[in-house]
Amino acid sequence: GAVVSQHPSRVICKSGTSVKIECRSLDFQATTMFWYRQFPKQSLMLMATSNEGSKATYEQGVEKDKFLINHASLTLSTLTVTSAHPEDSSFYICSARVLTGGYNTIYFGEGSWLTVV
Amino acid sequence: TQLLEQSPQFLSIQEGENLTVYCNSSSVFSSLQWYRQEPGEGPVLLVTVVTGGEVKKLKRLTFQFGDARKDSSLHITAAQTGDTGLYLCAGVFGTARQLTFGSGTQLTVLP
Repeated sequence: GAVVSQHPSRVICKSGTSVKIECRSLDFQATTMFWYRQFPKQSLMLMATSNEGSKATYEQGVEKDKFLINHASLTLSTLTVTSAHPEDSSFYICSARVLTGGYNTIYFGEGSWLTVV
Repeated sequence: TQLLEQSPQFLSIQEGENLTVYCNSSSVFSSLQWYRQEPGEGPVLLVTVVTGGEVKKLKRLTFQFGDARKDSSLHITAAQTGDTGLYLCAGVFGTARQLTFGSGTQLTVLP
């Protein structure tokens, strides 16, 4: 299947600072990527849809000024958590959509653990 | 808003037992995917089903897609401890671009 890579896998930052997480599609071009947040033993919560060359579409309740998404190329989307606070600590996962055999398949990155201290 | 119900939410069984996880919606899926996720890792795609009535097998895992494309099930035969993980069903409704996820099933297989 398609490969999606996330970096960093783990990051610790101080409260009030910003941290950037990268999501790359390694062997295909992704016009659309998705960012999720996940709490332990829970399902994924879609935060936003990242569209190459245009603004991201945020889900209701997600602060777009806090979670900045940039999709400047067909293989890279970034999520920047600005002015991070301890409650932002979570597992963040990206995914990319691939059209295969006439239907969409979603492949996920490995996830990034963010700890805000 | 389309809802996708997944059950059971938690399942703890002994090694060697069989189990079934269900995924249901009141809306028709254009496609449905099953994922398995281990702690600290991203979900890994197990299968995609698109045709009503479709059955796919992946070793001891059998996936069924309902005839009306509103439900799906994952059956594991003779579970092993290595099957432990979070199983997620996720569907695409109509022409939507994103997945709608079920609540997940946390499976624990005891030795």
